[in-house]
Amino acid sequence: QVQLQESGPGLVKPSQTLSLTCTVSGGSISSGDHYWNWIRQPAGKGLEWIGRIYTSGSTNFNPSLKSRVTISVDTSKNQFSLKLNSVTAADTAIYYCARVTGLYALAAFDIWGQGTMVTVSS
Amino acid sequence: DIQMTQSPSTLSASVGDRVTITCRASQSISVWLAWYQQKPGKAPNLLIYKASKLETGVPSRFSGSGSGTEFTLTISSLQPDDFATYYCQHYNTYSVTFGQGTRLEIK
Repeated sequence: QVQLQESGPGLVKPSQTLSLTCTVSGGSISSGDHYWNWIRQPAGKGLEWIGRIYTSGSTNFNPSLKSRVTISVDTSKNQFSLKLNSVTAADTAIYYCARVTGLYALAAFDIWGQGTMVTVSS
Repeated sequence: DIQMTQSPSTLSASVGDRVTITCRASQSISVWLAWYQQKPGKAPNLLIYKASKLETGVPSRFSGSGSGTEFTLTISSLQPDDFATYYCQHYNTYSVTFGQGTRLEIK
C-alpha cells in the first residue's frame, strides 16, 4: 500500500526558499501513470494546487505560483521535492503531497500525505 | 483559467437528512470533477471521481452527478461521521482547481 510522507523545515524566513520533500513508500515512484503533486492549505482556508511532476520529469504549475515554483523528482530515493522561492507570510500553510494515477493526469488525487505545516516568519 | 464555485459555503443539517452540495464551473469541464471530504487536522479524502464514480471504500450514501458546468454531491442520509468540509476539484491535463469548500455542520 503506497504511502506519502512530507518532510522539511517547519519555519522559513521571509524572502528565502521553502524546500519540502515527499517520500513515497510501498511502491515505486516511477511505475505506472503517476503524477506527483503538491497542494497547500492556509489555516482555516481552502485547498490550493501548487503543481505536479510526471516521472518523465514533465511538470505543470498553478499559474499564480509558476514563477516561484520548482518541482523535481529523484527516482533513486523514491522522492519528489518542492521549492518555493521568495516566500512571504502568505505562503504560510499546511503543505500536502498527493498522487494522481491516470493517463494524461485525468484522475483525482487518490493518495495524500498527512501534510506538514510551514510557517514563514523572521 | 477555470473557476470552481461551490454552494452553499456552510450547510446546517441533522443526522438522517439528505443533503446536496453544488459545484459550478466557469466553463464546461465535461466530467472531470472530483469530490473530497476533509476533517479537521486531516488530509482530504477522495469520495467521487469523474463526476459520478464512487471511490473504492466510500459508503454508497455518497453520490455525485452532473456534467459540463454544474455538478452535485449528495449524501442520502447523513451520518455523524459525515460532518466535515467538502471540496470539489476540477482536473485536466494541464491544471487542477479546487472549489472554496462547503462546511457541513450539525444543526
